[in-house]
Parts: sequence; structure tokens; C-alpha cells
Amino acid sequence: EAQVTQNPRYLITVTGKKLTVTCSQNMNHEYMSWYRQDPGLGLRQIYYSMNVEVTDKGDVPEGYKVSRKEKRNFPLILESPSPNQTSLYFCASSEGAGSYGYTFGSGTRLTVV
Amino acid sequence: QKEVEQNSGPLSVPEGAIASLNCTYSDRGSQSFFWYRQYSGKSPELIMSIYSNGDKEDGRFTAQLNKASQYVSLLIRDSQPSDSATYLCAVKRGGTSYGKLTFGQGTILTVHP
Repeated sequence: EAQVTQNPRYLITVTGKKLTVTCSQNMNHEYMSWYRQDPGLGLRQIYYSMNVEVTDKGDVPEGYKVSRKEKRNFPLILESPSPNQTSLYFCASSEGAGSYGYTFGSGTRLTVV
Repeated sequence: QKEVEQNSGPLSVPEGAIASLNCTYSDRGSQSFFWYRQYSGKSPELIMSIYSNGDKEDGRFTAQLNKASQYVSLLIRDSQPSDSATYLCAVKRGGTSYGKLTFGQGTILTVHP
């Protein structure tokens, strides 16, 4: 089944403790991206990647890191999480540029206390 | 001015009616436009994409694009209670920002029997 898989689905952590949310896609898609979704603010793009080793900032990249060492994987790293990073995170992938939209994973609900 | 604007609703329509969802965007360099549906607690799901002026139909859904007016709309014919969800408009710019997809805040649609 074609899908974007994120792990974990739920995560509670403490301020300052480094964490990684994994994302993997099995569709051989070129593009991958991370979003966060917050009430009243909607979906906001954190980072996106056009190919292996090629990444670019979205609208809210501060406090996040990403890497794309393999085409199928695009982990999101929070080196020192803070409570304002409590959010619902979505990983997504796309076949290409232009009229191709993103396919979203199931989401990771992160709580930072 | 927000890049992508939608009326948050809620929009309430009776079963069998036409639901009309609207979206405006500010960047004239935008080239591709998408409608996503998001059920409560679920991830966004792509339902339509459009990149040429005019109408594009897919089953009960019709997307309409007017680049001169910077306006995108989604019509849902014969609305069903199962169409009740949040509808998200998203816009992709061309050029070097191929992977950047910006979302509006969404319109909540309720279809009542």
C-alpha cells in the first residue's frame, strides 16, 4: 500500500530533550515536507526537500532541523524542544513539482512539557 | 494580508444541495492550486488540483480557477453528510519554490440531513 509513515503517533517529552520524528514514504516520491497544525493558525510548512541532500525552509523553520540522506526518509529533529512546539505534525510527500499535491502521513501529536 | 484566505465558516448546507467553498490568494506567481479535505482527527486528503483558468470536474466536485481575480473555488454537488469536514485550499508557487505549498486556514462544512 502506497503510504507515508510517521512515528511515533503520540509523544510527550520534556523541555530541552532532543527528539526525532521519523517519516518514510514508499512511493519513490521526489519531494517531502513537514507541516505543523495548530488551532487558529492552520497548517504551516516547516521544511521541504526536493531530493536527497536538497532541503529548503518553509514558513516556520525555527527550532527544527531536517535531513534527507535517503530518498524515502525525511526525519524531523527538535534539538531542544520548547512548549511552543507542542503541536500536531504531519509529514508529506509529492511525486514532483507543478500540479502534484502532497500526500500526508497520519500525523504525530507532540506535547512538550 | 494572508497568502491564502478562506472563510472559516462554518458553512451549513442541506443534504443534496450544492456547497460552494471559496479561496483567494495574494501571490500572482502562484501556479498550482489544490483542495484538501480533512476530517476531524485525520490527516488532509487531496481531492482536487487545478492549474489552468476555468473549471475542472471530478465526480461531484468542480474546482474553478480565475487567476486574474486570484480566486479559486470548490463546488460540491449533491452534498452528503459524509462530506462534512474541513476543506483546505492550498497554493503552490513555481520557480525555485517548487516544494512550497501554502495552506489557507480551512472552511468547516456541515451537511445536515
